[in-house]
Order: sequence, then structure tokens, then C-alpha cells
Amino acid sequence: RKEVEQDPGPFNVPEGATVAFNCTYSNSASQSFFWYRQDCRKEPKLLMSVYSSGNEDGRFTAQLNRASQYISLLIRDSKLSDSATYLCVVNLRSNDYKLSFGAGTTVTVRA
Amino acid sequence: DTAVSQTPKYLVTQMGNDKSIKCEQNLGHDTMYWYKQDSKKFLKIMFSYNNKELIINETVPNRFSPKSPDKAHLNLHINSLELGDSAVYFCASSHRLAGAYEQYFGPGTRLTVT
Repeated sequence: RKEVEQDPGPFNVPEGATVAFNCTYSNSASQSFFWYRQDCRKEPKLLMSVYSSGNEDGRFTAQLNRASQYISLLIRDSKLSDSATYLCVVNLRSNDYKLSFGAGTTVTVRA
Repeated sequence: DTAVSQTPKYLVTQMGNDKSIKCEQNLGHDTMYWYKQDSKKFLKIMFSYNNKELIINETVPNRFSPKSPDKAHLNLHINSLELGDSAVYFCASSHRLAGAYEQYFGPGTRLTVT
């Protein structure tokens, strides 16, 4: 089983739609969770951290489900500019400096 | 103004050559990283330095040698380049422990080995 696993997509959605996708992680003791965004041929950039209680940043909502070991990202009212690859990132072991990256979920928003 | 910068942006070289990639950050972070992103888009950690000390050294061929002259710089030297080394190499930096803090990435160095 991969340490961090994502549905690669692509998710093709019309502007204004809601899109959501999950990411599973292997270690139940994982402490830190993030969603990064990577545009084509660019560097990854932090989109948002994921907190235990769930958190929202504008049109983006992140949730953590520890029991089932997954995090989710929901994008409401999709914009063309939301088209990107969304990387799930987990600090799998609290005494480890490493972040583990998923392979990414590709979202394409069409006009 | 660039927070994390890398040079060169593109590198095309032949098998067997030795090359270096340089990274600098002006964010005042004390931890820096090298990642490799291959054609399948997986981003894998290679090395990490905290205050010039090597703290992460993944299973990477010893042809790859990182060097951190100070907290703001982390270089990567690659000896005897192979076709499989072709990838995008990202430098990143963060404050203290990666587990809790955001990592900032450089624009990447696209290495092509022919």
C-alpha cells in the first residue's frame, strides 16, 4: 500500500460546479496534513493545512477523517483558475522531518 | 524578491557528465530540502539540511552529493549522470520541522540527460 494515495483523476468539471476528492494515508499516527497545488510545469505551493476539526478557506474546504485515515478537499463554485494538480501531503511520522506527497489529483475546470 | 531560487532552470547534458544545481532562499528558514519529481509526477524527498546539518538522506545513489555552505544555500552535485536522472529537481525550505510548517518550493530545475 502506498503511504499517501490519491485518485489521479482527471476531474473535468464545468465552471461553478463543486468538486471533491480524497486522499488516504497509511500511518494512523500521522500528525500533519496539507493540500498543495501544482500548476503545469510549476512548483508546488501550499493551498491549505488540514486541521482536525476541518477548515475552510474561501471556496476551499478541507476535512480530516482519522478513523478512516483520509483527508478530503472540496472546491465550491469552481473557477477556470482552479485547474491544477492538487497534492495531498502528510507528515507520516511525528518524529520524522519528512513530508510524503501523493501523486496528485488533476482537476480541469471548463468554461 | 524571489523567496527560493534555483539555478539553472534548465539543464541538458550527456550521460557521464558531472553537474551542479544551486539553491538559495531569502526567507530566513533553517531547513532546506532537495526533491526529485519524475515523469510520473511523484515528488520524492532526497535530502534535507537543518542549520547546515544533514538530517534526511533517503536512498539516493551516492553519485548525488548535497552541500550546504550556510543556512540560506543548498547545492546538489551529481556525478556520472545517467538517463534515469532526468527529472525536475525542486529545492524547498521551511522553518524548523517540516512536519508542522509550510515548505516553500523553488521553481525547479528541469534536468535532461541524453
